[in-house]
Amino acid sequence: DTEVTQTPKHLVMGMTNKKSLKCEQHMGHRAMYWYKQKAKKPPELMFVYSYEKLSINESVPSRFSPECPNSSLLNLHLHALQPEDSALYLCASSQDQRGQPTKGYTFGSGTRLTVV
Amino acid sequence: AQSVTQLGSHVSVSEGALVLLRCNYSSSVPPYLFWYVQYPNQGLQLLLKYTSAATLVKGINGFEAEFKKSETSFHLTKPSAHMSDAAEYFCAVIPTGSGGSNYKLTFGKGTLLTVNP
Repeated sequence: DTEVTQTPKHLVMGMTNKKSLKCEQHMGHRAMYWYKQKAKKPPELMFVYSYEKLSINESVPSRFSPECPNSSLLNLHLHALQPEDSALYLCASSQDQRGQPTKGYTFGSGTRLTVV
Repeated sequence: AQSVTQLGSHVSVSEGALVLLRCNYSSSVPPYLFWYVQYPNQGLQLLLKYTSAATLVKGINGFEAEFKKSETSFHLTKPSAHMSDAAEYFCAVIPTGSGGSNYKLTFGKGTLLTVNP
């Protein structure tokens, strides 16, 4: 299995809703990432998990809450989002953040989030 | 922080013509460099990577890139464009020598490739 699977593919939520995005990989990767991509822009890093521990938070607002329950799963919990948070949310994984990152990241196909 | 600059936000070529997408990096120490492609409404797919093993790197779908330290460049080329190559292309960098949590993949602004029949 060489894929990163993200669910749901599309999500529409109100500003008072609570929802979660899910990401799963079975490649044995020990680093997982959340990126946010606005239309016609490059992906921007939000969070990094290394060996199930949060290692980087790129000053993301607290209405985004990541969770890594085990080495294969990564969640992003959403609460009280704003319309400007509408974007494509991409999950990625890589072999090991502490080692040589020679194999790059494997990306999922993303969750298209619309906040209304 | 190390970064990459993609020259040209939009490149248009005719089917069968040479594709050249430009990427320059900003550091004295060569970083790890990657090219990703993103088709509409999809995630990112790795085309190829430079990790100091060879300066001419061959990737998927007929693409290749040459690392030139003297020019701090890592341009992406394909000899003959196909209609299916139309997509957004991102050059990306992971800095070397930083260690641990500094291994962050950072993207250039992207180049939209259109292929005309």
